[in-house]
Amino acid sequence: AQSVTQLDSQVPVFEEAPVELRCNYSSSVSVYLFWYVQYPNQGLQLLLKYLSGSTLVKGINGFEAEFNKSQTSFHLRKPSVHISDTAEYFCAVSDLDGASKIIFGSGTRLSIRP
Amino acid sequence: DAGVTQSPTHLIKTRGQQVTLRCSPKSGHDTVSWYQQALGQGPQFIFQYYEEEERQRGNFPDRFSGHQFPNYSSELNVNALLLGDSALYLCASSYGLANTGELFFGEGSRLTVL
Repeated sequence: AQSVTQLDSQVPVFEEAPVELRCNYSSSVSVYLFWYVQYPNQGLQLLLKYLSGSTLVKGINGFEAEFNKSQTSFHLRKPSVHISDTAEYFCAVSDLDGASKIIFGSGTRLSIRP
Repeated sequence: DAGVTQSPTHLIKTRGQQVTLRCSPKSGHDTVSWYQQALGQGPQFIFQYYEEEERQRGNFPDRFSGHQFPNYSSELNVNALLLGDSALYLCASSYGLANTGELFFGEGSRLTVL
């Protein structure tokens, strides 16, 4: 069974500063990895996904994540954040079985200070 | 192109009652997954429906049941409601069972159990 650990429940950062949201996963098999964003009072939206190939994945809104198999991590980064990035960010994992469910972490609340 | 729609958006029930939540998937999608998101937590997988059958199930009791209709819409039923069932219930749709694509989420149904 897979599991996801998001190491920070809240990350405050100043506008235009860089940010990294940390995610570690646990699985005995190869996995797919995802980052989803949830804006206030909205459903979740996919930011980016890693399926295979290049370990550096670029997503929407200037976000990127790097898959590190040896450290079982999939940290999310953005070089310069904007007020509009204020949201809850969820790391998620699934195994390669086409019928499997996606498991979400507990989330990291990103708050941007002007 | 309508996205995932859920109804009702908010509802209040008392302990012991039963509730039915409804979901219409994004146009072209045939797979529906249901998630429970408690306050301050990540979404927890309840179950997934494809071809009108439950394909995968998370760690939820039998009080949670579902159905998928020929038009791919779905219902989530919860019987004998407990206070702990208070949460945001999210419906997500996708095409086929493979999880290499992204899940499209609705904005959720917020259930309060008194």
